[in-house]
Amino acid sequence: GESVGLHLPTLSVQEGDNSIINCAYSNSASDYFIWYKQESGKGPQFIIDIRSNMDKRQGQRVTVLLNKTVKHLSLQIAATQPGDSAVYFCAENGNYGGSQGNLIFGKGTKLSVKP
Amino acid sequence: DTEVTQTPKHLVMGMTNKKSLKCEQHMGHRAMYWYKQKAKKPPELMFVYSYEKLSINESVPSRFSPECPNSSLLNLHLHALQPEDSALYLCASTKNLRTAQPQHFGDGTRLSIL
Repeated sequence: GESVGLHLPTLSVQEGDNSIINCAYSNSASDYFIWYKQESGKGPQFIIDIRSNMDKRQGQRVTVLLNKTVKHLSLQIAATQPGDSAVYFCAENGNYGGSQGNLIFGKGTKLSVKP
Repeated sequence: DTEVTQTPKHLVMGMTNKKSLKCEQHMGHRAMYWYKQKAKKPPELMFVYSYEKLSINESVPSRFSPECPNSSLLNLHLHALQPEDSALYLCASTKNLRTAQPQHFGDGTRLSIL
């Protein structure tokens, strides 16, 4: 869902369940996408990335899916653990003027894992 | 531990003070970034340096003055800040700006303006 004011969208899951975090991106020209995890008091930590010539990429317990038709990105976390509790941000590169320097972040989703 | 080190971790300053935030990386990266992050919001890009030259300034007020003295260091000089400038300031780096790649972030400096 969309965040309103100071409220982050929150996903609450039971430990051991699978989590799916969704993100809608804005720029059709974006050709690179990243998911970051940000724990309280820390900077964003890279999880997984995907380029626009792919529609799926898997890492360790994580999978990113890209649907360019509807400009949608998702992060799937298998067997969610308490240590996965954090805010998750998607980001796109925007690809403005050929510069790869700009990362445009989505609003973020807070994942809470119940033991 | 991150490979991008930011100091100090916390900073409290008055509106008339002058202070600096520091960022250091030894990964040989030649692009470095400053972001501002308010609570419960995503990071917002402020500045990008490429090969020690300012590449992007996202219309940041002049009370924020970046400096890249060498390829490993990035500073953000602060002067006459406002209470609304209180935020987490994040530094990041990449090998270059030529290809899309993950940005490596530090853990930030938590800045409070009194």
